[in-house]
Amino acid sequence: GESVGLHLPTLSVQEGDNSIINCAYSNSASDYFIWYKQESGKGPQFIIDIRSNMDKRQGQRVTVLLNKTVKHLSLQIAATQPGDSAVYFCAIPRETDTNAGKSTFGDGTTLTVKP
Amino acid sequence: NAGVTQTPKFRILKIGQSMTLQCTQDMNHNYMYWYRQDPGMGLKLIYYSVGAGITDKGEVPNGYNVSRSTTEDFPLRLELAAPSQTSVYFCASMRGLGEKLFFGSGTQLSVL
Repeated sequence: GESVGLHLPTLSVQEGDNSIINCAYSNSASDYFIWYKQESGKGPQFIIDIRSNMDKRQGQRVTVLLNKTVKHLSLQIAATQPGDSAVYFCAIPRETDTNAGKSTFGDGTTLTVKP
Repeated sequence: NAGVTQTPKFRILKIGQSMTLQCTQDMNHNYMYWYRQDPGMGLKLIYYSVGAGITDKGEVPNGYNVSRSTTEDFPLRLELAAPSQTSVYFCASMRGLGEKLFFGSGTQLSVL
């Protein structure tokens, strides 16, 4: 089966700096990847996704990079703000009917932004 | 458009009690999921449903039960609550395969 791991469970950055959160996966056939953000006391919320036919995808202040060779993806947050403090999860949805779209989640990286 | 709504937000149960966690979504999503999240950990799938009348077990189904009589509602039942079921429970829905999950705000459950 699929497994998803993170390199660091916690990350502390200074406000205004860039943040990089990493994620590794095990199955080279994985085709679709999602990053979710979970603020304290709330449910996870979609941030950005990427498919395996892309190496990079940009959103508003966030960029996801995918390296299929080493089975690694990262989430980069530019000019980190206090509102970015949250737990960030990478997830791999399984897209077949037999897997019913079930997602495998990493354990999450807690990002703390220092003022 | 409320999205995914979970009730209650907090609950304390005594060992052996039962309760139902409610989940409803107004997006007409076929796929619905129940996850539990233990402190500092990721999400573990309890049960899921691919449409009304169809449910199946996830990774950690023991001690739980679900039903899906309508597209909108996917309640999670705890029978004979145990301290190991102390956790935060999230309901999520998805429109179709290859799409993102929409989560509710969670139910924090303590079993004492």
